Amino acid sequence: LAKTTQPVSMDSYEGQEVNITCSHNNIATNDYITWYQQFPSQGPRFIIQGYKTKVTNEVASLFIPADRKSSTLSLPRVSLSDTAVYYCLVGLDNNNDMRFGAGTRLTVKP
Amino acid sequence: NAGVTQTPKFRILKIGQSMTLQCTQDMNHNYMYWYRQDPGMGLKLIYYSVGAGITDKGEVPNGYNVSRSTTEDFPLRLELAAPSQTSVYFCASRLLGRHGTDTQYFGPGTRLTVL
Repeated sequence: LAKTTQPVSMDSYEGQEVNITCSHNNIATNDYITWYQQFPSQGPRFIIQGYKTKVTNEVASLFIPADRKSSTLSLPRVSLSDTAVYYCLVGLDNNNDMRFGAGTRLTVKP
Repeated sequence: NAGVTQTPKFRILKIGQSMTLQCTQDMNHNYMYWYRQDPGMGLKLIYYSVGAGITDKGEVPNGYNVSRSTTEDFPLRLELAAPSQTSVYFCASRLLGRHGTDTQYFGPGTRLTVL
């Protein structure tokens, strides 16, 4: 499983766009990049997954540069309810040992 | 589908007691995982299973045991509870989708306190 590095915490205000970057320098050719969101007292939930370029769903966008050594989760127009911890995972193909890093604690302020 | 269910939701144990945390999934996923999460910290992998009859250790397996007799169930056993095992325990199952996609589904968690 590729090691990932994310900021420990970020603050934002309601209505702003938030970008959280994850570094994964030793990503393997077949690895996908997956982001999870965890609210207090709940289990993590899947947000978005991608392999290259850009992926968008109803919740977020994921930007992956050509070298794939980093990725950026973009949350458009955040609200207070987006306050959560966001985890980046890399390296899922042929890897059964799923380990989470410390994640990024996002606090959205009014 | 109920997804991933865990019981109990809360439990208080005395030091030295034992208990089993139950986890069941109805999505027919082969892969299942147990994590613990201490206050303000990330998730630590305890044990995982890639299918019925197959289990393996994660990052922090000491003090725990697991079994996987069926695809649906993946119980976690604490034999001699210690205060250091006070934590929230999450069970997850994993779907390997088409084109290499991969998603974990988490249960609601069990909050365990050892006094």
